[in-house]
Amino acid sequence: KQEVTQIPAALSVPEGENLVLNCSFTDSAIYNLQWFRQDPGKGLTSLLLIQSSQREQTSGRLNASLDKSSGRSTLYIAASQPGDSATYLCAVRPGETSGSRLTFGEGTQLTVNP
Amino acid sequence: NAGVTQTPKFQVLKTGQSMTLQCAQDMNHNSMYWYRQDPGMGLRLIYYSASEGTTDKGEVPNGYNVSRLNKREFSLRLESAAPSQTSVYFCASSEAWHRVIHQPQHFGDGTRLSIL
Repeated sequence: KQEVTQIPAALSVPEGENLVLNCSFTDSAIYNLQWFRQDPGKGLTSLLLIQSSQREQTSGRLNASLDKSSGRSTLYIAASQPGDSATYLCAVRPGETSGSRLTFGEGTQLTVNP
Repeated sequence: NAGVTQTPKFQVLKTGQSMTLQCAQDMNHNSMYWYRQDPGMGLRLIYYSASEGTTDKGEVPNGYNVSRLNKREFSLRLESAAPSQTSVYFCASSEAWHRVIHQPQHFGDGTRLSIL
């Protein structure tokens, strides 16, 4: 059974810092990995999706990397801002030919202090 | 552009009561999903519908039923609510089934359900 772990569970940084969030998964047979952002009381917003054949994806100040063989992904946030404060979740799509079952980590709660 | 809309946003039920959570998407997506989010458990898939007219069990289907009413709407029903079903429920949708592995899922804002 696929398990996804995110470390740390919570992170507090001053504005302007570069930071890295970590995601690890136990079964390396995945189709893709997705990073989401969740604001308090809100749903999930997709940030980046990395296919299993890709090594990284970039969107603005965000960069996500994937090392499928070691079962790891990182989300790098450059020049953090207070507006980046949210919970960040990673999710993997399993190596199945059918079904659409994302397995989620529990998330990292990020606070960026002005 | 509404995206994925869930109703109600909040609900309190007594044990044994029934209710239906509604979800609608306006993105012409074929696939729709219901998740629950619990502290320490993350998000877990309850049911999904790969396309209109089909539904399948996810990781935690017991105590729930679903209906894919049409392409836009996917409802989740609790027939006899139990305190263990206290949770935040999220509906999501994604692109056509044969392309779903390449497409991100879009989420609604959630329904916060308390069972007393």
